[in-house]
Amino acid sequence: GAGVSQSPRYKVAKRGQDVALRCDPISGHVSLFWYQQALGQGPEFLTYFQNEAQLDKSGLPSDRFFAERPEGSVSTLKIQRTQQEDSAVYLCASSSRDMGGVYGYTFGSGTRLTVV
Amino acid sequence: QKEVEQNSGPLSVPEGAIASLNCTYSDRGSQSFFWYRQYSGKSPELIMSIYSNGDKEDGRFTAQLNKASQYVSLLIRDSQPSDSATYLCAVNGGGATNKLIFGTGTLLAVQP
Repeated sequence: GAGVSQSPRYKVAKRGQDVALRCDPISGHVSLFWYQQALGQGPEFLTYFQNEAQLDKSGLPSDRFFAERPEGSVSTLKIQRTQQEDSAVYLCASSSRDMGGVYGYTFGSGTRLTVV
Repeated sequence: QKEVEQNSGPLSVPEGAIASLNCTYSDRGSQSFFWYRQYSGKSPELIMSIYSNGDKEDGRFTAQLNKASQYVSLLIRDSQPSDSATYLCAVNGGGATNKLIFGTGTLLAVQP
Protein backbone atom coordinates (compact mmCIF):
# COMPACT_ATOMS: atom_id res chain seq x y z
CA GLY A 1 0.00 0.00 0.00
CA ALA A 2 0.90 3.66 -0.17
CA GLY A 3 1.40 4.08 3.55
CA VAL A 4 1.57 2.25 6.83
CA SER A 5 -1.87 0.88 7.61
CA GLN A 6 -3.06 0.13 11.14
CA SER A 7 -6.26 -1.47 12.34
CA PRO A 8 -8.50 -1.01 14.12
CA ARG A 9 -8.41 2.79 14.35
CA TYR A 10 -10.18 2.68 17.67
CA LYS A 11 -10.55 -0.12 20.20
CA VAL A 12 -12.46 -0.09 23.47
CA ALA A 13 -11.60 -3.01 25.72
CA LYS A 14 -12.93 -4.01 29.10
CA ARG A 15 -10.26 -4.38 31.73
CA GLY A 16 -8.89 -7.90 31.61
CA GLN A 17 -9.73 -8.43 27.95
CA ASP A 18 -7.06 -9.41 25.40
CA VAL A 19 -6.57 -7.20 22.33
CA ALA A 20 -4.66 -7.54 19.05
CA LEU A 21 -3.51 -4.55 17.04
CA ARG A 22 -2.45 -4.94 13.43
CA CYS A 23 0.17 -3.08 11.41
CA ASP A 24 0.60 -3.44 7.65
CA PRO A 25 3.86 -1.65 6.71
CA ILE A 26 4.78 -0.12 3.39
CA SER A 27 5.51 -2.95 0.97
CA GLY A 28 9.14 -4.03 1.06
CA HIS A 29 10.03 -2.12 4.20
CA VAL A 30 12.57 -4.04 6.26
CA SER A 31 12.30 -2.22 9.57
CA LEU A 32 9.14 -2.07 11.67
CA PHE A 33 8.74 -0.27 14.98
CA TRP A 34 5.94 -0.15 17.55
CA TYR A 35 5.52 2.89 19.79
CA GLN A 36 3.08 3.77 22.57
CA GLN A 37 1.91 7.37 22.94
CA ALA A 38 0.06 8.34 26.09
CA LEU A 39 -2.00 11.53 26.14
CA GLY A 40 0.22 14.61 26.23
CA GLN A 41 3.42 12.59 25.86
CA GLY A 42 5.80 11.80 23.05
CA PRO A 43 5.87 8.33 21.50
CA GLU A 44 7.69 5.73 23.61
CA PHE A 45 9.53 2.86 21.92
CA LEU A 46 8.10 -0.61 22.45
CA THR A 47 9.77 -3.01 20.03
CA TYR A 48 11.64 -3.31 16.72
CA PHE A 49 11.62 -5.91 13.93
CA GLN A 50 14.06 -6.33 11.09
CA ASN A 51 12.17 -8.51 8.66
CA GLU A 52 10.72 -11.30 10.84
CA ALA A 53 13.36 -11.02 13.57
CA GLN A 54 12.43 -9.14 16.73
CA LEU A 55 15.76 -7.48 17.48
CA ASP A 56 14.71 -5.27 20.36
CA LYS A 57 11.80 -5.66 22.75
CA SER A 58 13.29 -3.64 25.56
CA GLY A 59 10.42 -1.14 25.57
CA LEU A 60 7.60 -3.62 26.15
CA PRO A 61 6.25 -2.56 29.57
CA SER A 62 5.34 -6.01 30.85
CA ASP A 63 5.03 -9.64 29.86
CA ARG A 64 1.41 -8.91 28.97
CA PHE A 65 2.70 -7.29 25.79
CA PHE A 66 3.73 -9.47 22.89
CA ALA A 67 4.55 -8.63 19.28
CA GLU A 68 5.18 -10.75 16.21
CA ARG A 69 5.95 -10.38 12.52
CA PRO A 70 6.05 -13.99 11.33
CA GLU A 71 6.54 -13.45 7.61
CA GLY A 72 8.45 -10.21 7.74
CA SER A 73 5.50 -8.11 6.62
CA VAL A 74 2.35 -7.64 8.72
CA SER A 75 2.92 -7.28 12.46
CA THR A 76 0.59 -7.80 15.38
CA LEU A 77 0.90 -6.28 18.85
CA LYS A 78 -1.02 -8.28 21.42
CA ILE A 79 -1.87 -7.08 24.89
CA GLN A 80 -3.18 -9.65 27.34
CA ARG A 81 -5.37 -8.88 30.35
CA THR A 82 -5.55 -5.18 29.50
CA GLN A 83 -5.27 -2.63 32.31
CA GLN A 84 -6.37 1.00 32.40
CA GLU A 85 -2.75 2.16 32.16
CA ASP A 86 -2.58 0.50 28.74
CA SER A 87 -4.91 3.17 27.35
CA ALA A 88 -2.89 5.03 24.73
CA VAL A 89 -2.36 5.39 21.01
CA TYR A 90 -0.27 2.59 19.57
CA LEU A 91 1.78 3.70 16.60
CA CYS A 92 3.50 1.53 14.03
CA ALA A 93 6.29 2.82 11.80
CA SER A 94 8.27 1.28 8.98
CA SER A 95 11.43 2.10 7.08
CA SER A 96 12.95 0.80 3.89
CA ARG A 97 16.42 0.78 5.36
CA ASP A 98 17.96 -1.63 7.80
CA MET A 99 18.92 1.29 10.00
CA GLY A 100 15.46 2.77 10.27
CA GLY A 101 16.31 5.12 13.06
CA VAL A 102 19.16 6.69 11.14
CA TYR A 103 16.97 8.22 8.47
CA GLY A 104 13.65 8.59 10.27
CA TYR A 105 10.52 6.68 9.42
CA THR A 106 6.85 6.98 8.53
CA PHE A 107 4.15 6.35 11.10
CA GLY A 108 0.77 4.79 10.49
CA SER A 109 -2.39 6.49 11.69
CA GLY A 110 -2.30 4.60 14.97
CA THR A 111 -4.76 2.60 17.05
CA ARG A 112 -6.35 4.42 19.96
CA LEU A 113 -6.93 1.89 22.75
CA THR A 114 -9.23 2.76 25.60
CA VAL A 115 -9.49 0.32 28.49
CA VAL A 116 -12.62 0.75 30.59
CA GLN B 1 16.76 13.31 33.55
CA LYS B 2 14.80 12.62 30.38
CA GLU B 3 16.92 11.77 27.37
CA VAL B 4 15.22 14.35 25.15
CA GLU B 5 13.77 17.49 26.69
CA GLN B 6 11.41 20.05 25.21
CA ASN B 7 9.38 22.85 26.67
CA SER B 8 5.78 21.69 26.51
CA GLY B 9 4.48 25.18 25.73
CA PRO B 10 2.14 26.36 24.48
CA LEU B 11 4.27 28.66 22.38
CA SER B 12 2.07 31.35 20.94
CA VAL B 13 3.24 33.46 17.99
CA PRO B 14 1.38 35.85 15.69
CA GLU B 15 0.84 34.93 12.06
CA GLY B 16 3.88 35.86 9.95
CA ALA B 17 6.33 35.73 12.86
CA ILE B 18 9.23 33.32 13.37
CA ALA B 19 8.52 30.41 15.70
CA SER B 20 11.54 28.97 17.51
CA LEU B 21 11.31 25.50 19.01
CA ASN B 22 14.08 24.07 21.13
CA CYS B 23 15.25 20.65 22.24
CA THR B 24 18.14 19.31 24.31
CA TYR B 25 19.36 15.72 24.48
CA SER B 26 21.53 13.80 26.92
CA ASP B 27 23.37 11.19 24.81
CA ARG B 28 26.52 12.73 23.33
CA GLY B 29 26.81 9.77 20.95
CA SER B 30 23.60 10.60 19.12
CA GLN B 31 24.12 11.12 15.41
CA SER B 32 20.69 11.67 13.87
CA PHE B 33 18.09 14.24 14.84
CA PHE B 34 14.55 14.71 13.65
CA TRP B 35 11.59 17.03 13.95
CA TYR B 36 8.09 15.60 13.66
CA ARG B 37 4.87 17.59 13.46
CA GLN B 38 1.73 16.14 15.05
CA TYR B 39 -1.69 17.62 14.55
CA SER B 40 -4.29 16.92 17.21
CA GLY B 41 -5.65 13.39 16.81
CA LYS B 42 -3.18 12.54 14.05
CA SER B 43 0.06 10.59 13.93
CA PRO B 44 3.51 12.25 13.84
CA GLU B 45 4.77 13.39 10.44
CA LEU B 46 8.49 13.72 9.70
CA ILE B 47 9.31 17.25 8.58
CA MET B 48 13.08 17.67 9.07
CA SER B 49 16.18 15.61 9.68
CA ILE B 50 19.66 16.89 10.49
CA TYR B 51 22.91 15.02 10.99
CA SER B 52 25.75 17.56 11.18
CA ASN B 53 26.39 20.76 13.07
CA GLY B 54 24.95 23.92 11.59
CA ASP B 55 21.77 24.84 9.80
CA LYS B 56 19.63 22.93 7.34
CA GLU B 57 16.90 24.77 5.48
CA ASP B 58 13.81 23.36 3.77
CA GLY B 59 11.29 25.93 2.65
CA ARG B 60 10.05 27.85 5.68
CA PHE B 61 11.72 25.40 8.06
CA THR B 62 15.29 25.57 9.35
CA ALA B 63 16.76 22.96 11.66
CA GLN B 64 19.82 23.87 13.71
CA LEU B 65 22.16 21.44 15.43
CA ASN B 66 24.90 22.10 17.99
CA LYS B 67 26.37 18.81 19.15
CA ALA B 68 28.77 20.45 21.61
CA SER B 69 25.82 21.98 23.44
CA GLN B 70 23.58 18.94 22.75
CA TYR B 71 20.97 21.26 21.34
CA VAL B 72 18.61 21.05 18.37
CA SER B 73 16.20 23.71 17.27
CA LEU B 74 13.55 24.26 14.62
CA LEU B 75 12.74 27.67 13.19
CA ILE B 76 9.52 28.23 11.28
CA ARG B 77 9.54 31.44 9.25
CA ASP B 78 6.36 33.27 8.22
CA SER B 79 4.31 31.15 10.63
CA GLN B 80 0.81 30.27 9.45
CA PRO B 81 -2.24 29.18 11.48
CA SER B 82 -1.89 25.81 9.70
CA ASP B 83 1.47 25.38 11.46
CA SER B 84 -0.38 25.11 14.78
CA ALA B 85 0.48 21.63 16.05
CA THR B 86 2.72 19.80 18.50
CA TYR B 87 6.34 19.58 17.36
CA LEU B 88 8.23 16.53 18.53
CA CYS B 89 12.01 16.38 18.69
CA ALA B 90 13.47 12.91 18.17
CA VAL B 91 17.00 11.64 18.57
CA ASN B 92 18.52 8.41 17.30
CA GLY B 93 19.04 6.24 20.36
CA GLY B 94 21.88 4.35 18.69
CA GLY B 95 22.73 0.72 19.26
CA ALA B 96 21.60 -2.14 17.06
CA THR B 97 18.05 -0.85 16.90
CA ASN B 98 18.64 2.79 16.10
CA LYS B 99 15.28 3.49 17.68
CA LEU B 100 14.17 7.09 18.01
CA ILE B 101 13.85 8.70 21.43
CA PHE B 102 11.16 11.38 21.46
CA GLY B 103 10.65 14.43 23.60
CA THR B 104 7.23 15.24 24.99
CA GLY B 105 6.66 17.84 22.28
CA THR B 106 6.04 21.58 22.17
CA LEU B 107 2.57 22.84 21.34
CA LEU B 108 2.74 25.73 18.87
CA ALA B 109 -0.24 28.06 18.43
CA VAL B 110 -0.08 30.55 15.57
CA GLN B 111 -2.55 33.37 16.13
CA PRO B 112 -4.24 34.83 13.00
